Amino acid sequence: GNSVTQMEGPVTLSEEAFLTINCTYTATGYPSLFWYVQYPGEGLQLLLKATKADDKGSNKGFEATYRKETTSFHLEKGSVQVSDSAVYFCALSLSGGSYIPTFGRGTSLIVHP
Amino acid sequence: SQTIHQWPATLVQPVGSPLSLECTVEGTSNPNLYWYRQAAGRGLQLLFYSVGIGQISSEVPQNLSASRPQDRQFILSSKKLLLSDSGFYLCAWSRQVNEQFFGPGTRLTVL
Repeated sequence: GNSVTQMEGPVTLSEEAFLTINCTYTATGYPSLFWYVQYPGEGLQLLLKATKADDKGSNKGFEATYRKETTSFHLEKGSVQVSDSAVYFCALSLSGGSYIPTFGRGTSLIVHP
Repeated sequence: SQTIHQWPATLVQPVGSPLSLECTVEGTSNPNLYWYRQAAGRGLQLLFYSVGIGQISSEVPQNLSASRPQDRQFILSSKKLLLSDSGFYLCAWSRQVNEQFFGPGTRLTVL
């Protein structure tokens, strides 16, 4: 079956530090890959996506590259802010199958001033 | 543009009472609709999804049920709530295998 594995959290950083949140996947076929962000007390929002190998998704200073050879989609940001504190979810969707996406368990990010 | 609404935003209910949470989508037609639950500090648990009116698939057997009486309306119900039903309930919609769009959520506390 399909699965998404994210690094355990919480990830605690100081403001302006470099961020990496690891995400690897297993899938039968060629999935689309997503990162969602959930701020406290809110629903999830799409942060970025990539639909094929070597695509780079980017938004709000975050970026992730679809690596087919390592089945990874790691999230990075060069300089985090306190306002980036949230839970980040990696997810995949497959065409031609069920309509159910597969989510990782989420990684909590805490950024201190 | 598309929007998704959920209500109520928060709910406190006694054990054994009924439940009805509503989700509506505007600005799109024939969306795929989903109900998720998020326990405190945990990931997303898919409860139900629907690809059309009256078509409901259940992912987790439990005392909850879902209905889709209209194309853009998705309702989550229970006849008798349990303590373990407490959590953050999220509705989402999507088109095919594209990204999902989530509502603001309902915080349910069962006492």
